Order: sequence, then structure tokens, then C-alpha cells
Amino acid sequence: GQQVQQSPTSLVLQEGENAELQCNFSTSLNSMQWFYQRPGGSLISVFYNPSGTKQSGRLTSTTVIKERRSSLHISSSQITDSGTYLCAMRGSNYNVLYFGSGTKLTVEP
Amino acid sequence: AQTIHQWPVAEIKAVGSPLSLGCTIKGKSSPNLYWYWQATGGTLQQLFYSITVGQVESVVQLNLSASRPKDDQFILSTEKLLLSHSGFYLCAWSLTGPNERLFFGHGTKLSVL
Repeated sequence: GQQVQQSPTSLVLQEGENAELQCNFSTSLNSMQWFYQRPGGSLISVFYNPSGTKQSGRLTSTTVIKERRSSLHISSSQITDSGTYLCAMRGSNYNVLYFGSGTKLTVEP
Repeated sequence: AQTIHQWPVAEIKAVGSPLSLGCTIKGKSSPNLYWYWQATGGTLQQLFYSITVGQVESVVQLNLSASRPKDDQFILSTEKLLLSHSGFYLCAWSLTGPNERLFFGHGTKLSVL
């Protein structure tokens, strides 16, 4: 079954609002990573956060391994933040990465 | 700095024809290499990984094969394409270990007609 559940599927915000993206994992994980997928399909690593809370600019990621969840918080959203965000986890075989189905974020003026 | 190059950028192929997609990583010795596939509107799925030259492990069976003929090269291929092979193919690399982040190439868009 689906090992990575990502929510919400889509999110529409007004510029300046905050966004909270969630990932839940059905199995134990070794590490996880957040990506931004460009409209053309390529992936940009947004956050690498094996555990704990990390912040970079307007982005904050919190991973709680014991609870099998991770979140990505975007504060003061901007129009340029629009796009699809994917989370991915490494499972017990850490050579395999499992992706969520993504959150499509739309930030409107 | 490490660079990852995928080729071709896009392909339009006929059902039943052969396929070869390539990926080259420069600036990193003995990386772990990965192939991913995403159907249009679908979830990214890992197809293969390789931790060393000549060794490839399959993750998802899609009637595709992969090879690693050189330390810095990863090839995805099939002798006979299916309509279901259409989608977006991504190559990635990482260092070895459970906590190493992945870096992706720009991908190849494949349309099978």
C-alpha cells in the first residue's frame, strides 16, 4: 500500500499567508527530504531533514521519526512559492526512496 | 561541483521500438545512482538503484532494464516499448548511507505512441 501520505492535495493561499504541508509515513523511515517539482518535472531539493526541526529563511521543516511524520511550513507565502511540493522518505532499505503524491500550492496576489 | 546530465531531454517513440536513456554524473566518485519514473499526473516511483559499477537492483518491474557500465554512467533501456512506458524519467545520485540527500537530473520526457 501507499507508504507516504501527503496532505493536503492542493492548497490555495493569498500572498502573505502561511502554508503547512504534511507527510505521514506508514513504515519506519531513515530520513526524509522535501522537493519542489518544477512545471517541467525536474526536482529541486527544498529541505533535507532527517529529524528534528530545521529552518531556512521562510521555510521550516519538522520531522518526528517516532511519529512517522514530517511537515514543511512556508511563512509569508509569495506568488513564486507556487508549484508542487513532494516529500520523500528512505525506508528500511535506505537505497529506496518513497515519494508522496505531492501538494499543489497556489499563491494568489 | 557535481553535475548530473540526462539525455535525451525528450523522446517520441513508437510502441514496440527500443529505448535507451542515459545519465552521467561528474565530480563525484562512486556515487549511488537511481532511476525514477512518473506517469503523467502520477506519483514518482523508484525503478532501479546501483551502488557500484556493474551492479543494479530493481525496485519496480516495468519491463525495463538498467545498467551501470561505468562509475559515472547509468543507462535505462528496453527492447520493446509499451504505451504504459510514457512519462517522465529522472536520474538521481547520492552518497552512500541512510541519511544522504538525493540530487536529481532535469529528466527525460518520453511519449510512446
